[in-house]
Amino acid sequence: SAVISQKPSRDICQRGTSLTIQCQVDSQVTMMFWYRQQPGQSLTLIATANQGSEATYESGFVIDKFPISRPNLTFSTLTVSNMSPEDSSIYLCSVRSTGELFFGEGSRLTVL
Amino acid sequence: DAKTTQPTSMDCAEGRAANLPCNHSTISGNEYVYWYRQIHSQGPQYIIHGLKNNETNEMASLIITEDRKSSTLILPHATLRDTAVYYCIVREVQGAQKLVFGQGTRLTINP
Repeated sequence: SAVISQKPSRDICQRGTSLTIQCQVDSQVTMMFWYRQQPGQSLTLIATANQGSEATYESGFVIDKFPISRPNLTFSTLTVSNMSPEDSSIYLCSVRSTGELFFGEGSRLTVL
Repeated sequence: DAKTTQPTSMDCAEGRAANLPCNHSTISGNEYVYWYRQIHSQGPQYIIHGLKNNETNEMASLIITEDRKSSTLILPHATLRDTAVYYCIVREVQGAQKLVFGQGTRLTINP
């Protein structure tokens, strides 16, 4: 299995600001995924981040709002830009390792 | 869109077997059935997966019907710590490795 660390674990932000969430994995992985979980809802895939190429975004998510970096095989960041209260969610990093997908504990973001 | 249908919620008594159904009538031959669960305020946890044969591991058993259009996750001796949302997901064997989550089943284990 893979051990995934996310930072910050939670934060409270003001609308109009941006926040960058970090995802660190304890092993090299090819595929990393970013999910959003709005209050009381299921998980929604934001994008797939592969090292050495631009992230692939799902319908309804755009790079300007959720820029992603993937500088190496163990690290990725997701930025939530120009935040509004509707962006209040848990953001989760996921990686594929040994054939399975593993998840971090998430970053709980509250936008006031 | 999620390709699975699950009951919204279920209850089970502690110590009894919890049987969680899932319908995936449009599943294709190259798609696995995966089960994950999410305990409150935690990230999803992998439970088990299968293609067409029944599977068992230390956490659960997965029973897949012969036509592969439905499956059942069995927690043989449910404990209070098994209270969680359980997600049934179909995923391609090859190609995109992403998971598309449905709404899942909220399982409550009662003492």
